[in-house]
Amino acid sequence: DVVLTQSPLSLPVTLGQPASISCRSSQSLVFSDGITYLTWFQQRPGQSPRRLIYKVSNRDSGVPDRFSGSGSVTDFTLKISRVEAEDVGVYYCMQGTHWPLTFGQGTRLEIK
Amino acid sequence: EVQLLESGGGLVQPGGSLRLSCAASGFTFRNNAMGWVRQAPGKGLEWVSDISGSGRKTYYADSVKGRFTISRDNSKNTLYLQMNSLRAEDTALYYCAKEPDSESYGHLDYWGQGTLVTVSS
Repeated sequence: DVVLTQSPLSLPVTLGQPASISCRSSQSLVFSDGITYLTWFQQRPGQSPRRLIYKVSNRDSGVPDRFSGSGSVTDFTLKISRVEAEDVGVYYCMQGTHWPLTFGQGTRLEIK
Repeated sequence: EVQLLESGGGLVQPGGSLRLSCAASGFTFRNNAMGWVRQAPGKGLEWVSDISGSGRKTYYADSVKGRFTISRDNSKNTLYLQMNSLRAEDTALYYCAKEPDSESYGHLDYWGQGTLVTVSS
């Protein structure tokens, strides 16, 4: 199975400061069609997960542009340019390239 | 507006069975693959199963293969998860989620609120 390793697992950030979460895959996530199926989700406290980014760097409708995704092959990053209070929660990466589908362990973002 | 409403969760004894349902609205259900993801209390997300838009293709995590069956009724816009031989480690909040098209997987663009399954004697 593909293992997605996120770091850090806990991320205290000062309001207005940037934040960065890494997601590293045990295998290439480039599918046979040439597309990389790496997705980022946000789960706020007490809420269902919400998709933020798909195919590495495509932001979902309604997602603030302070969120961005980047990376390739096995190394991926979610960046928040300026953290706001509403960004508190757990962030997960997920791969859709190989069966079974797998999630990273999650990164908990908190306000310092 | 896309809406996914799960039901069918509850308390069940080890070895028992339960069937979860997910009523979908706000999109053309048969045009989208669907999936189930679970979250044990205080833990991370775990993918459970996916099914194609037609229902002909199904996929399972190793942890549930042979015990769980995913299915759908496109005439009723409803997704199902039949869970048999339940174990304590199946205790979790089960989310229904929509895929962006009929044969795309792992993209989960909309999620329901979840239904809680507790396996305990």
